[in-house]
Amino acid sequence: GENVEQHPSTLSVQEGDSAVIKCTYSDSASNYFPWYKQELGKRPQLIIDIRSNVGEKKDQRIAVTLNKTAKHFSLHITETQPEDSAVYFCAASKAGTASKLTFGTGTRLQVTL
Amino acid sequence: NAGVTQTPKFQVLKTGQSMTLQCAQDMNHEYMSWYRQDPGMGLRLIHYSVGAGITDQGEVPNGYNVSRSTTEDFPLRLLSAAPSQTSVYFCASSFSSGGYEQYFGPGTRLTVT
Repeated sequence: GENVEQHPSTLSVQEGDSAVIKCTYSDSASNYFPWYKQELGKRPQLIIDIRSNVGEKKDQRIAVTLNKTAKHFSLHITETQPEDSAVYFCAASKAGTASKLTFGTGTRLQVTL
Repeated sequence: NAGVTQTPKFQVLKTGQSMTLQCAQDMNHEYMSWYRQDPGMGLRLIHYSVGAGITDQGEVPNGYNVSRSTTEDFPLRLLSAAPSQTSVYFCASSFSSGGYEQYFGPGTRLTVT
Protein backbone atom coordinates (compact mmCIF):
# COMPACT_ATOMS: atom_id res chain seq x y z
CA GLY A 1 0.00 0.00 0.00
CA GLU A 2 0.86 3.67 -0.01
CA ASN A 3 3.44 5.03 2.42
CA VAL A 4 3.83 8.76 3.07
CA GLU A 5 6.83 10.17 4.90
CA GLN A 6 6.84 13.72 6.24
CA HIS A 7 9.70 15.94 7.43
CA PRO A 8 10.51 17.65 9.67
CA SER A 9 8.47 16.51 12.64
CA THR A 10 8.88 19.90 14.32
CA LEU A 11 9.67 23.28 12.82
CA SER A 12 10.19 26.59 14.59
CA VAL A 13 10.36 29.83 12.60
CA GLN A 14 10.26 33.50 13.45
CA GLU A 15 7.24 35.53 12.48
CA GLY A 16 7.62 36.74 8.91
CA ASP A 17 9.96 33.94 7.85
CA SER A 18 9.02 31.14 5.45
CA ALA A 19 8.31 27.54 6.42
CA VAL A 20 8.71 24.48 4.20
CA ILE A 21 7.38 21.00 4.95
CA LYS A 22 8.26 18.07 2.71
CA CYS A 23 6.56 14.76 2.00
CA THR A 24 7.44 11.75 -0.10
CA TYR A 25 5.10 8.99 -1.23
CA SER A 26 5.67 5.48 -2.49
CA ASP A 27 2.78 4.63 -4.83
CA SER A 28 3.28 6.12 -8.28
CA ALA A 29 -0.48 5.73 -8.93
CA SER A 30 -1.31 8.34 -6.27
CA ASN A 31 -2.56 11.52 -7.86
CA TYR A 32 -4.28 13.61 -5.17
CA PHE A 33 -2.23 15.33 -2.47
CA PRO A 34 -4.02 17.41 0.18
CA TRP A 35 -2.54 19.30 3.11
CA TYR A 36 -4.43 19.59 6.39
CA LYS A 37 -3.92 21.96 9.31
CA GLN A 38 -4.88 20.83 12.79
CA GLU A 39 -4.97 23.18 15.73
CA LEU A 40 -4.73 21.78 19.24
CA GLY A 41 -7.87 19.83 20.14
CA LYS A 42 -9.53 20.57 16.81
CA ARG A 43 -10.35 18.62 13.69
CA PRO A 44 -8.05 18.56 10.63
CA GLN A 45 -9.02 21.15 8.04
CA LEU A 46 -7.98 21.23 4.40
CA ILE A 47 -5.78 24.21 3.55
CA ILE A 48 -4.67 23.35 0.02
CA ASP A 49 -4.54 20.39 -2.32
CA ILE A 50 -2.91 19.51 -5.62
CA ARG A 51 -3.59 16.97 -8.32
CA SER A 52 -0.97 15.19 -10.35
CA ASN A 53 -1.67 17.12 -13.54
CA VAL A 54 -0.48 20.30 -11.81
CA GLY A 55 3.07 21.09 -10.68
CA GLU A 56 2.34 24.00 -8.37
CA LYS A 57 -0.65 25.65 -6.75
CA LYS A 58 -0.80 28.84 -4.74
CA ASP A 59 -3.37 30.37 -2.40
CA GLN A 60 -2.26 33.67 -0.87
CA ARG A 61 0.62 32.83 1.52
CA ILE A 62 0.39 29.08 0.97
CA ALA A 63 1.77 27.11 -1.96
CA VAL A 64 2.22 23.45 -2.75
CA THR A 65 4.64 21.97 -5.27
CA LEU A 66 4.58 18.46 -6.68
CA ASN A 67 7.35 16.48 -8.35
CA LYS A 68 5.79 13.28 -9.70
CA THR A 69 9.05 11.92 -11.02
CA ALA A 70 10.69 12.11 -7.61
CA LYS A 71 7.41 11.32 -5.80
CA HIS A 72 7.58 14.22 -3.44
CA PHE A 73 5.50 17.29 -2.66
CA SER A 74 6.05 20.25 -0.40
CA LEU A 75 4.08 22.89 1.48
CA HIS A 76 5.43 26.42 1.52
CA ILE A 77 4.11 29.07 3.89
CA THR A 78 5.45 32.59 3.39
CA GLU A 79 5.31 35.55 5.78
CA THR A 80 4.39 33.27 8.66
CA GLN A 81 2.12 34.57 11.41
CA PRO A 82 1.50 33.29 14.97
CA GLU A 83 -1.88 31.91 13.86
CA ASP A 84 -0.02 29.58 11.48
CA SER A 85 1.18 27.64 14.54
CA ALA A 86 -0.42 24.19 14.31
CA VAL A 87 0.27 20.63 13.19
CA TYR A 88 0.30 20.15 9.42
CA PHE A 89 -0.37 16.83 7.73
CA CYS A 90 0.27 15.83 4.14
CA ALA A 91 -1.68 12.98 2.56
CA ALA A 92 -1.96 11.05 -0.67
CA SER A 93 -4.64 9.05 -2.46
CA LYS A 94 -5.47 7.60 -5.85
CA ALA A 95 -8.24 8.60 -8.22
CA GLY A 96 -11.45 6.79 -7.39
CA THR A 97 -10.35 6.25 -3.80
CA ALA A 98 -10.80 9.67 -2.25
CA SER A 99 -11.87 8.03 0.99
CA LYS A 100 -8.54 6.24 1.31
CA LEU A 101 -6.16 8.98 2.31
CA THR A 102 -2.76 7.91 3.59
CA PHE A 103 -1.39 10.56 5.94
CA GLY A 104 2.10 11.59 6.89
CA THR A 105 2.98 11.70 10.57
CA GLY A 106 2.63 15.46 10.87
CA THR A 107 4.80 18.55 11.38
CA ARG A 108 4.36 20.74 14.42
CA LEU A 109 4.99 24.31 13.25
CA GLN A 110 5.66 26.97 15.85
CA VAL A 111 5.83 30.60 14.78
CA THR A 112 7.59 32.72 17.36
CA LEU A 113 7.36 36.48 17.76
CA ASN B 1 -25.77 22.45 7.37
CA ALA B 2 -24.29 20.85 10.49
CA GLY B 3 -21.58 19.19 8.37
CA VAL B 4 -20.09 16.06 9.97
CA THR B 5 -21.17 15.37 13.54
CA GLN B 6 -19.82 12.80 15.97
CA THR B 7 -21.03 11.54 19.33
CA PRO B 8 -19.92 11.17 22.02
CA LYS B 9 -17.16 13.74 22.38
CA PHE B 10 -15.42 11.81 25.16
CA GLN B 11 -15.76 8.21 26.33
CA VAL B 12 -14.05 6.01 28.90
CA LEU B 13 -14.44 2.25 28.57
CA LYS B 14 -13.18 -0.71 30.53
CA THR B 15 -11.30 -3.46 28.72
CA GLY B 16 -13.74 -5.86 27.11
CA GLN B 17 -16.65 -3.45 26.88
CA SER B 18 -18.28 -2.68 23.54
CA MET B 19 -19.61 0.58 22.21
CA THR B 20 -20.62 2.42 19.06
CA LEU B 21 -19.20 5.74 17.93
CA GLN B 22 -21.77 7.67 15.96
CA CYS B 23 -21.09 9.70 12.82
CA ALA B 24 -23.57 11.57 10.67
CA GLN B 25 -23.33 14.02 7.78
CA ASP B 26 -25.98 16.16 6.14
CA MET B 27 -24.12 17.06 2.94
CA ASN B 28 -25.35 14.08 0.91
CA HIS B 29 -21.78 12.82 0.61
CA GLU B 30 -21.29 9.36 -0.82
CA TYR B 31 -17.91 8.69 0.75
CA MET B 32 -17.41 8.31 4.50
CA SER B 33 -14.38 7.16 6.48
CA TRP B 34 -13.16 6.51 9.98
CA TYR B 35 -9.64 7.40 11.08
CA ARG B 36 -7.83 7.06 14.36
CA GLN B 37 -5.19 9.55 15.46
CA ASP B 38 -2.39 8.55 17.80
CA PRO B 39 0.52 10.76 18.90
CA GLY B 40 3.36 10.73 16.38
CA MET B 41 1.47 8.50 13.94
CA GLY B 42 -0.77 10.85 12.03
CA LEU B 43 -4.22 9.65 11.03
CA ARG B 44 -4.74 6.04 10.00
CA LEU B 45 -7.72 4.75 8.06
CA ILE B 46 -9.84 2.17 9.89
CA HIS B 47 -12.81 1.56 7.54
CA TYR B 48 -14.45 3.44 4.73
CA SER B 49 -17.63 3.39 2.69
CA VAL B 50 -18.28 4.45 -0.92
CA GLY B 51 -22.05 4.47 -0.51
CA ALA B 52 -24.96 3.01 1.42
CA GLY B 53 -24.53 -0.73 1.82
CA ILE B 54 -20.86 -0.73 0.75
CA THR B 55 -17.96 -0.77 3.20
CA ASP B 56 -14.33 -1.83 3.06
CA GLN B 57 -11.31 -2.11 5.32
CA GLY B 58 -8.61 0.46 5.67
CA GLU B 59 -5.14 0.22 7.14
CA VAL B 60 -6.06 -0.73 10.74
CA PRO B 61 -9.47 -2.50 10.74
CA ASN B 62 -8.92 -5.13 13.44
CA GLY B 63 -11.24 -4.78 16.43
CA TYR B 64 -13.70 -2.51 14.62
CA ASN B 65 -16.88 -3.05 12.63
CA VAL B 66 -18.85 -0.65 10.45
CA SER B 67 -22.09 -0.61 8.54
CA ARG B 68 -23.70 1.94 6.22
CA SER B 69 -27.45 1.51 6.05
CA THR B 70 -28.12 5.12 5.03
CA THR B 71 -26.16 7.80 3.18
CA GLU B 72 -26.14 9.99 6.29
CA ASP B 73 -24.87 7.63 9.01
CA PHE B 74 -21.67 5.62 9.40
CA PRO B 75 -21.30 4.17 12.92
CA LEU B 76 -18.09 2.55 14.15
CA ARG B 77 -18.42 -0.36 16.58
CA LEU B 78 -15.76 -1.49 18.98
CA LEU B 79 -16.49 -5.14 19.66
CA SER B 80 -14.33 -5.73 22.76
CA ALA B 81 -12.37 -2.64 23.74
CA ALA B 82 -8.63 -2.95 24.41
CA PRO B 83 -6.18 -0.36 25.83
CA SER B 84 -4.52 -0.25 22.37
CA GLN B 85 -7.73 1.33 21.07
CA THR B 86 -7.22 4.41 23.23
CA SER B 87 -7.11 7.15 20.61
CA VAL B 88 -8.92 10.06 19.04
CA TYR B 89 -11.36 8.93 16.37
CA PHE B 90 -12.33 11.11 13.43
CA CYS B 91 -15.11 10.51 10.97
CA ALA B 92 -14.83 12.16 7.55
CA SER B 93 -16.96 12.48 4.44
CA SER B 94 -16.42 13.61 0.88
CA PHE B 95 -18.62 14.20 -2.14
CA SER B 96 -17.12 11.61 -4.42
CA SER B 97 -13.91 10.10 -5.68
CA GLY B 98 -11.30 11.84 -7.79
CA GLY B 99 -9.81 14.12 -5.22
CA TYR B 100 -12.61 15.85 -3.41
CA GLU B 101 -12.07 17.49 -0.04
CA GLN B 102 -12.70 15.29 2.99
CA TYR B 103 -14.63 17.06 5.74
CA PHE B 104 -13.78 15.89 9.24
CA GLY B 105 -16.03 15.65 12.26
CA PRO B 106 -14.96 17.09 15.64
CA GLY B 107 -13.59 13.78 16.90
CA THR B 108 -14.25 11.38 19.78
CA ARG B 109 -11.58 10.98 22.45
CA LEU B 110 -11.72 7.37 23.67
CA THR B 111 -9.84 6.01 26.67
CA VAL B 112 -9.82 2.29 27.41
CA THR B 113 -8.64 1.32 30.91
